[in-house]
Amino acid sequence: DVKVTQSSRYLVKRTGEKVFLECVQDMDHENMFWYRQDPGLGLRLIYFSYDVKMKEKGDIPEGYSVSREKKERFSLILESASTNQTSMYLCASTGQDRVYGYTFGSGTRLTVV
Amino acid sequence: GENVEQHPSTLSVQEGDSAVIKCTYSDSASNYFPWYKQELGKGPQLIIDIRSNVGEKKDQRIAVTLNKTAKHFSLHITETQPEDSAVYFCAARVYGQNFVFGPGTRLSVLP
Repeated sequence: DVKVTQSSRYLVKRTGEKVFLECVQDMDHENMFWYRQDPGLGLRLIYFSYDVKMKEKGDIPEGYSVSREKKERFSLILESASTNQTSMYLCASTGQDRVYGYTFGSGTRLTVV
Repeated sequence: GENVEQHPSTLSVQEGDSAVIKCTYSDSASNYFPWYKQELGKGPQLIIDIRSNVGEKKDQRIAVTLNKTAKHFSLHITETQPEDSAVYFCAARVYGQNFVFGPGTRLSVLP
């Protein structure tokens, strides 16, 4: 069964901490994405990557960065966590040309206190 | 850019009844329309999709219809069951671009 695995289901971090959210896919997909999901706002794209070492800003990149050193792994970094970054974070991937829908991970619920 | 609207935001139906969720999109170049189901505590899962060269697609109790002229597509669930209770998202995509998602519909199937 193909998978997108997010390393943590729940995280609690303190304001100002540097936070790493990890995502690994086993489908050899070129394209990977990070979304945050908030009630009433739906899915908002933070960053995406079409290839190793490549990254592009999505709709809400402020306060975040990403790293894609290997094809299967896409990391989201909160440089200095703030309470307004408390959210559900979803990683997704899809194959070349993005012909098909995404495969999503189970999500990481991050709480910043 | 593309914009996707989704209605209703919440929907309650009796078990066994049908449920319909409608999405409209703005970019006539969009050519692929997936639907996702998100159960509590889980990530969204693709349940059905349709491409712009097809008007309807069915998979057991779920179906999707597409009206390109009106730029809307709908998810139909028949004979609803309690396990259909979830949040449903539609999405639209122009070839070569990223998906744009609707805001979601929370479906509750009442026993």
